[in-house]
Amino acid sequence: DAKTTQPNSMESNEEEPVHLPCNHSTISGTDYIHWYRQLPSQGPEYVIHGLTSNVNNRMASLAIAEDRKSSTLILHRATLRDAAVYYCVYAASNTGKLIFGQGTTLQVKP
Amino acid sequence: DTAVSQTPKYLVTQMGNDKSIKCEQNLGHDTMYWYKQDSKKFLKIMFSYNNKELIINETVPNRFSPKSPDKAHLNLHINSLELGDSAVYFCASSLDRLNTGELFFGEGSRLTVL
Repeated sequence: DAKTTQPNSMESNEEEPVHLPCNHSTISGTDYIHWYRQLPSQGPEYVIHGLTSNVNNRMASLAIAEDRKSSTLILHRATLRDAAVYYCVYAASNTGKLIFGQGTTLQVKP
Repeated sequence: DTAVSQTPKYLVTQMGNDKSIKCEQNLGHDTMYWYKQDSKKFLKIMFSYNNKELIINETVPNRFSPKSPDKAHLNLHINSLELGDSAVYFCASSLDRLNTGELFFGEGSRLTVL
């Protein structure tokens, strides 16, 4: 399996934008990139996904590099409730498996 | 109404015992999964079923046996429990097997083997 690589942890101040990076240089051209987040004692929660173009939804934006070797999850204004582990995930198109990265623990300071 | 529900939420048992975790989804999805999350928070897929058919079976000891009586239910039975089986087990579902959409996770079942 290919893999995704993320920083172990990041810090942000409340109300400021957060850019969470992910490297996925070994995924194939048809593998979707997903982001999930996990709050303490809860199951992972879907955030956003995309293939080639940048994507926006009410929770976040996903910027995918043109060569698809990396992507960035953007939280436009971090709140204390956004403190969580954020997982960069790819969906292997040949098997349907979601392969999770090791996750980035985001701390949001008031 | 919980979309993906798992029972039990907590399970503490002795080595060598057999235990089961049950999962149900009310989303009308075709595909269901079991994921294992270890103490380092790493999430790894174990099994996937699509319309009651096993489609993903990762390298998991054969002490683990999933069963899907219908497409809304996916249970996980574990025989001869070992210390290393201690983890949080998550059930999930998706509309189809292609994973181009969203995966819905349950709240997890924390298994502790003593």
